Amino acid sequence: AQSVAQPEDQVNVAEGNPLTVKCTYSVSGNPYLFWYVQYPNRGLQFLLKYITGDNLVKGSYGFEAEFNKSQTSFHLKKPSALVSDSALYFCAVRAHYGQNFVFGPGTRLSVLP
Amino acid sequence: NAGVTQTPKFRILKIGQSMTLQCAQDMNHNYMYWYRQDPGMGLKLIYYSVGAGITDKGEVPNGYNVSRSTTEDFPLRLELAAPSQTSVYFCASSGEGGAPYEQYFGPGTRLTVT
Repeated sequence: AQSVAQPEDQVNVAEGNPLTVKCTYSVSGNPYLFWYVQYPNRGLQFLLKYITGDNLVKGSYGFEAEFNKSQTSFHLKKPSALVSDSALYFCAVRAHYGQNFVFGPGTRLSVLP
Repeated sequence: NAGVTQTPKFRILKIGQSMTLQCAQDMNHNYMYWYRQDPGMGLKLIYYSVGAGITDKGEVPNGYNVSRSTTEDFPLRLELAAPSQTSVYFCASSGEGGAPYEQYFGPGTRLTVT
């Protein structure tokens, strides 16, 4: 069965500092991995995805994520955080031969001015 | 493109009432999904569809029904509302191909059952 863990409920970082939001997954076979962001009272918005190829994936708003197969991780990163990055972040996984996405519980990012 | 639209935005139901949550997309996506999001939790898949006329259960289908008569529309039906169905409901769609496309989400419907 597929599963996603986001070990931190909350991440606090000062504006201008680098940020990392952690994600680990479990899936049979090779994974497809996604990050989404949710602002208050809004639906989820796609940030980036890993399908195959380069382990470092670049996405929207300056975010990037690194796929590590041996550690089954897909951590979201940004070199310099903005206050406007404050939101709820979800990691999701889908198996190569599956049709469904499994979401993690979410991590709330607060960027402090 | 309007993307994925959902109506209504908010609804309060009494226990035992029924309602239909509407979802439509104008991106010609074959895949559509219904999720619920409970406070402090991730998204749980209720039902999904891989094309018109084809639907299947997700992780938490009990108490819900769906239909998919057209590519564009994917309504979710609650027959006998229960307090446990108080949640925010999101509809999503995605394209198809050799590799999975990302999902596009609607703005959500906040449902309270009292």
